[in-house]
Amino acid sequence: DIVMTQSPDSLAVSLGGRATISCKSSQSLLFRSDNKNYLAWYQQKPGQPPKLLISWASTRESGVPDRFSGGGSGTDFSLTISRLQAEDAAVYYCQQYYGSPPRTFGQGTKLEIK
Amino acid sequence: QVLLQQSGSGLVKPSQTLSLTCTVSGASINSGAYYWSWIRQHPEKGLEWIGHVYYSGSTYIDPSLESRVVISRDTSKNQFSLRLSSVTAADAAVYYCARDRGRSGIFDFWGQGTLVTVSS
Repeated sequence: DIVMTQSPDSLAVSLGGRATISCKSSQSLLFRSDNKNYLAWYQQKPGQPPKLLISWASTRESGVPDRFSGGGSGTDFSLTISRLQAEDAAVYYCQQYYGSPPRTFGQGTKLEIK
Repeated sequence: QVLLQQSGSGLVKPSQTLSLTCTVSGASINSGAYYWSWIRQHPEKGLEWIGHVYYSGSTYIDPSLESRVVISRDTSKNQFSLRLSSVTAADAAVYYCARDRGRSGIFDFWGQGTLVTVSS
């Protein structure tokens, strides 16, 4: 199975600041034939299911603010949240969907807004 | 608007079978465009993909759970279901159903979650 490792496990960033979360995969998620990275990012708030933010490593879902941006390729990815707002406090997960299942998630990164 | 509404017992006795159902509105289970998935989350832990069912009835289950899991669908009710047999305390978790967009592995709509407790 592809192992997804996020860092840090938690971080606290000031309101209005910028947070960056890293995600590394145990094998490349770049599919050469379509030049796409098979990686998604989710946001989960307490008592709620995860919400899809970004797919294909950098494509924001409709309605997701442009303060959220995804980047990276191959085995190293990042989620950056700019101009942090109180509502961005949540746990963020990366997830790979390369090839056949199983689909695997990172362990999550808890973001606190100071 | 796609909605996934979960139902089923949140309390299961050890060694018995967990049974959950996900009713879909705003999309058809009978569409070949999606997989219909189950994912669980242990307390204060990350997310674990369990498996999915296709409109045809074919399934793919995580090998670690394959011997205990059945995922099925009822196209007439636009529902799909999870059965997990021989449960233990290790199966206590929040269980989610989710739509796998375009059979890609991207989970774009989720159910509300069901907290499953394993206790006699």
